[in-house]
Amino acid sequence: NAGVTQTPKFQVLKTGQSMTLQCAQDMNHNSMYWYRQDPGMGLRLIYYSASEGTTDKGEVPNGYNVSRLNKREFSLRLESAAPSQTSVYFCASMLAGGPGEQYFGPGTRLTVT
Amino acid sequence: QKEVEQNSGPLSVPEGAIASLNCTYSDRVSQSFFWYRQYSGKSPELIMSIYSNGDKEDGRFTAQLNKASQYVSLLIRDSQPSDSATYLCAVNGGGADGLTFGKGTHLIIQP
Repeated sequence: NAGVTQTPKFQVLKTGQSMTLQCAQDMNHNSMYWYRQDPGMGLRLIYYSASEGTTDKGEVPNGYNVSRLNKREFSLRLESAAPSQTSVYFCASMLAGGPGEQYFGPGTRLTVT
Repeated sequence: QKEVEQNSGPLSVPEGAIASLNCTYSDRVSQSFFWYRQYSGKSPELIMSIYSNGDKEDGRFTAQLNKASQYVSLLIRDSQPSDSATYLCAVNGGGADGLTFGKGTHLIIQP
């Protein structure tokens, strides 16, 4: 089992460019999450998908969109990147109805210049 | 607004001593509690979970929960330099939005 995988690992964008961060899990989990982590700010929830076919905003959704492609895959899209979106992005998954343990992917380090 | 509070540190502990990390949470209906370890440049890794009042031990790690005081702690016995990391406390209130994370405590084990 690979667990949670994310691509790419690193990305540099210019302001205004768009990109999609990919996340996949092979643990048969129902719920998936996108976080960003900035120094001193901790993990902040961007969007989540409680189950296939549903998505909801988290704490910091502005400037992002998501797609729950199927049970395994949950992508995060930046339509017009801004320097404020420079961050490390983590995807996580969780078995719905369980105690709430989340498992994280390795992260994507994004720099917007 | 659910909140999870941790002292950011750094907490410096000599090798071989006990490291004690603390966390308080605001949501009284929280049901399950987790500790994650995050090395610099890596993703958070789940190391302990606890669901009922009292202590739970796993190797050198002990998690403690006191729901009346809304307090969770993690003890690391016989601390090793490899334990140097940021430790994140996370709380599950049962909502679909999953866990609420603290900002983490930076632990340094001094050889």
